[in-house]
Amino acid sequence: GENVEQHPSTLSVQEGDSAVIKCTYSDSASNYFPWYKQELGKRPQLIIDIRSNVGEKKDQRIAVTLNKTAKHFSLHITETQPEDSAVYFCAANFYGQNFVFGPGTRLSVLP
Amino acid sequence: EAGVTQFPSHSVIEKGQTVTLRCDPISGHDNLYWYRRVMGKEIKFLLHFVKESKQDESGMPNNRFLAERTGGTYSTLKVQPAELEDSGVYFCASSTLPDTQYFGPGTRLTVL
Repeated sequence: GENVEQHPSTLSVQEGDSAVIKCTYSDSASNYFPWYKQELGKRPQLIIDIRSNVGEKKDQRIAVTLNKTAKHFSLHITETQPEDSAVYFCAANFYGQNFVFGPGTRLSVLP
Repeated sequence: EAGVTQFPSHSVIEKGQTVTLRCDPISGHDNLYWYRRVMGKEIKFLLHFVKESKQDESGMPNNRFLAERTGGTYSTLKVQPAELEDSGVYFCASSTLPDTQYFGPGTRLTVL
């Protein structure tokens, strides 16, 4: 079955700097890769996703890149702000099946 | 539109007791998923409904867990009898497309 690894487990950056979180997956059949942000005590919120027919997607300060050959995808957050502090989860799945999540990255943006 | 809702938000029970968690998906979403996050670890899949049918229940840990989705609307997840290792946050998610899933706020279950 699918296995998703995520690095780093914790990340601290200064406000205004960029943050990068990387995930690798094992099942080449996976074709959908969402990123969720979970603030303390709140529900995981979808922040961006990418499908396997696209190599990069951007939404304001957030971008995701996908390398299907290497089976890894990354989340890039630019101009970080304190409100970006949260736990970020990557996930992978094949059409209609359950998500397999990475273990999460705790991002702290220091003012 | 209203999001996915879950009830209760917190539940504290003693080992051996029974607890039932409820999830109301976004209206019109045929796909409903249950996940669990234990002790700050990754979010793990439990099972997937398509309407009232169990599409995949490979993540259910054992037969103490029973999920239902009568009528294809809300779903319940019953744990009977609860054990200490069942403590965690139980999330429900729903989708209309087969991929984008919207999560509920979770139920924090504590088994003492």
